Parts: sequence; structure tokens; C-alpha cells
Amino acid sequence: DAGVTQSPTHLIKTRGQQVTLRCSPISGHKSVSWYQQVLGQGPQFIFQYYEKEERGRGNFPDRFSARQFPNYSSELNVNALLLGDSALYLCASTGSSYNSPLHFGNGTRLTVT
Amino acid sequence: AQSVTQLGSHVSVSEGALVLLRCNYSSSVPPYLFWYVQYPNQGLQLLLKYTSAATLVKGINGFEAEFKKSETSFHLTKPSAHMSDAAEYFCAVTPSNDYKLSFGAGTTVTVRA
Repeated sequence: DAGVTQSPTHLIKTRGQQVTLRCSPISGHKSVSWYQQVLGQGPQFIFQYYEKEERGRGNFPDRFSARQFPNYSSELNVNALLLGDSALYLCASTGSSYNSPLHFGNGTRLTVT
Repeated sequence: AQSVTQLGSHVSVSEGALVLLRCNYSSSVPPYLFWYVQYPNQGLQLLLKYTSAATLVKGINGFEAEFKKSETSFHLTKPSAHMSDAAEYFCAVTPSNDYKLSFGAGTTVTVRA
């Protein structure tokens, strides 16, 4: 089975622009989470979606938004990009059974110049 | 609120030597604890998880971790390091069955031949 896939793998944007990152979960997984990993730090939780509804949101500004589609894929949108948004953005999916672990994709490396 | 502290941002070991990575957590409720490994330019891979069953948890690639409530610790060990263990390791905590993981800052492991 394919793992969690994210696109694009790398992206360069200019301050003030908007970006959309995409994630396809493992087949059968209905929950998707997004994390931001700044260089040299651990990942920080941004959003969790389950069955197309937002289940949780981390301490990120309203410039960050996300949604989940009927096929359980997800998009993360960031508006008005700042230099500090440069990071590796990780998507993770999990199954619905109790104690199902998170499965991470390889991430999208966003560079804001 | 839940958080983890990883003691030591860099650990260097000789091939065949013991690997010991330290993690201390704080949690207002009995926690779920995880260790993840990240290889360069990749996402996070689950090594093992503690979910209130046995306090000694065995994971993949010969790693294990021991949950010690009295010390609020969840240290990761491997008896004999291999060159392929060179990577970054993250400890993470979440309240029961909540997948909003809080990660530590990570420990980079270097293995010397």
C-alpha cells in the first residue's frame, strides 16, 4: 500500500504570497493532521481533521487554514507568507481503530524569500 | 498541557556501543508517549509507543524504551549502535488517544565507525 503522499516536495514563495500544500492519506485512513517543522526544532501541531471536520487546531494564526475532502485528502493553505513560515510541513494520517499510530509523509519543504 | 524535554541535542556513539536518548515529559493526565526517527529529507517513522500497557516497550530496529512514572521519563535505548542508526530522534507526548502530539526538540545521533 502507498504511504502518505505529499505534494509538492519543494516550494519557493515570496513574502506576501499564498501557498497550498496537498496530502493524500493512506487508503482507509480518515484522519489527517498537519505539522510544521522549523529547521532544528521538533514538529508543531497545526490542524487535525477527521471525517472532513476540524478536530483540533494548534497555536497558529488565522493565515493558516485547512480542509479535508470527501476522499479524505487534505489541503493546507497559508496566506500572506512570512519569512518565518519557511519550514518542512508534514502531513500524517491515522486509522480509526483505537491506538492507531500516526503515519507521516515525507513533507513539503517551503522556503519563503 | 503536555510537553517533553529531550536532554542533549547531539549524541555521538561508536558503532556497537549503547545508544541512550533521554526524554522527560510533563502531563496532567496519564500520557501516551512515542519515539519517532527522522532520516534526512524524510518524514517521521514511528519507533515505538507507550500506551499504559507494559512499562518496557520494544520497538523496531532493536530499540526499546522504559516508562518510569516516578521519574516522568521515557528514555530510548539500543544495546548496540549501527551506522544506519544515524538520524534525528524525537520524543512525543499526547493525552489519551489525542493525536495532537507535542514533540521534543529532537536529538541528533551520530555513529562513529
